[in-house]
Amino acid sequence: DQQVKQNSPSLSVQEGRISILNCDYTNSMFDYFLWYKKYPAEGPTFLISISSIKDKNEDGRFTVFLNKSAKHLSLHIVPSQPGDSAVYFCAASSSTGNQFYFGTGTSLTVIP
Amino acid sequence: GAGVSQSPSNKVTEKGKDVELRCDPISGHTALYWYRQSLGQGLEFLIYFQGNSAPDKSGLPSDRFSAERTGGSVSTLTIQRTQQEDSAVYLCASSPGLAGVNTQYFGPGTRLTVL
Repeated sequence: DQQVKQNSPSLSVQEGRISILNCDYTNSMFDYFLWYKKYPAEGPTFLISISSIKDKNEDGRFTVFLNKSAKHLSLHIVPSQPGDSAVYFCAASSSTGNQFYFGTGTSLTVIP
Repeated sequence: GAGVSQSPSNKVTEKGKDVELRCDPISGHTALYWYRQSLGQGLEFLIYFQGNSAPDKSGLPSDRFSAERTGGSVSTLTIQRTQQEDSAVYLCASSPGLAGVNTQYFGPGTRLTVL
């Protein structure tokens, strides 16, 4: 059973506009959430994370929002750039466990 | 600095053969994870090593899969009697293994194709 879900397999956005990638989870024990970016033929690279004690974390053009009551998080990229085109994975973990649970990814295409 | 490395980058094998995939984690990282990504799927957890503790093998899909980590560093994932459904990208990640949740650093993966 998929505990972390990314329901949009793909997203296309015009350069300069905002990209919003969504992620839902089912396990209320998750208290740490991460976003990874993956280019073809490369491993995922860490992008940004958020702890459940926060509802927002910002790093440059990237902001992650967490809505614990809805078990939903989102990644905002603004302004979007062509180099942001990649697959984005959402992941969740519990500080009491060993495992990270990943979504199926969203392929973002930023159109120049 | 050196990141996580994996070898081989690609492996094509015949059904029924055994394969070994290697992972060299970042030096000093005590935690090591194996995942696989099948076509159109997310990353599926396979196994987790932390220091000298017994590994968490709860994600291994069958007894044909095993992994070891020698000297707390290099890890080898072995798949015996490979099946076509084993075809996937196998990713290794390491993390510092400090108290609390750590960010994982991924290798480039090994693409396994079972014919």
